Amino acid sequence: AQSVTQLDSHVSVSEGTPVLLRCNYSSSYSPSLFWYVQHPNKGLQLLLKYTSAATLVKGINGFEAEFKKSETSFHLTKPSAHMSDAAEYFCVVSQTNRDDKIIFGKGTRLHILP
Amino acid sequence: NAGVTQTPKFRVLKTGQSMTLLCAQDMNHEYMYWYRQDPGMGLRLIHYSVGEGTTAKGEVPDGYNVSRLKKQNFLLGLESAAPSQTSVYFCASSWTGSSNQPQHFGDGTRLSIL
Repeated sequence: AQSVTQLDSHVSVSEGTPVLLRCNYSSSYSPSLFWYVQHPNKGLQLLLKYTSAATLVKGINGFEAEFKKSETSFHLTKPSAHMSDAAEYFCVVSQTNRDDKIIFGKGTRLHILP
Repeated sequence: NAGVTQTPKFRVLKTGQSMTLLCAQDMNHEYMYWYRQDPGMGLRLIHYSVGEGTTAKGEVPDGYNVSRLKKQNFLLGLESAAPSQTSVYFCASSWTGSSNQPQHFGDGTRLSIL
């Protein structure tokens, strides 16, 4: 069985400060992991994905995430927040086995303070 | 490229009415999905399709039907709408169902059942 937990439902940071959105997962097989961003009244847009290559994954808009198997984590970071980063972020786990299944986290709302 | 297009964008129904949500993709993707998004719940899979003429149940299929008569279109039907089906509905598509394939999302249909 697989699952994904986003540890914070809301995160607030000041513009120009670092962003950390936390995601833990569990998977019986080698997982693929994704981060998506959802701006208001829009669909989900892929930020980055991990698929068993490099453990540090760089995505769009300056975001990156590090796959840590020992900690079963895939936290999303950005060195300096911008007002346009205010959105909801979803961590997603998908595993390769006969019963492929995609599990979405419940989301983290990122607020950027001026 | 339009990507994934959902129609309508908004709809208000009365309990017991029926309607069909249309999803169209122009990326020649094999897989298509319907999700519903409710506050604090993340995305939950309603039905999906692995190719033209095929459909399968997801996590929350009750009260919904789907059809995939053409590869580029995936229709979601509500035969007798209920207030519990008030939600935002997202369609997505992907090249394959492989775990490392990201999904491409439409902008959603906001549906209210009175």
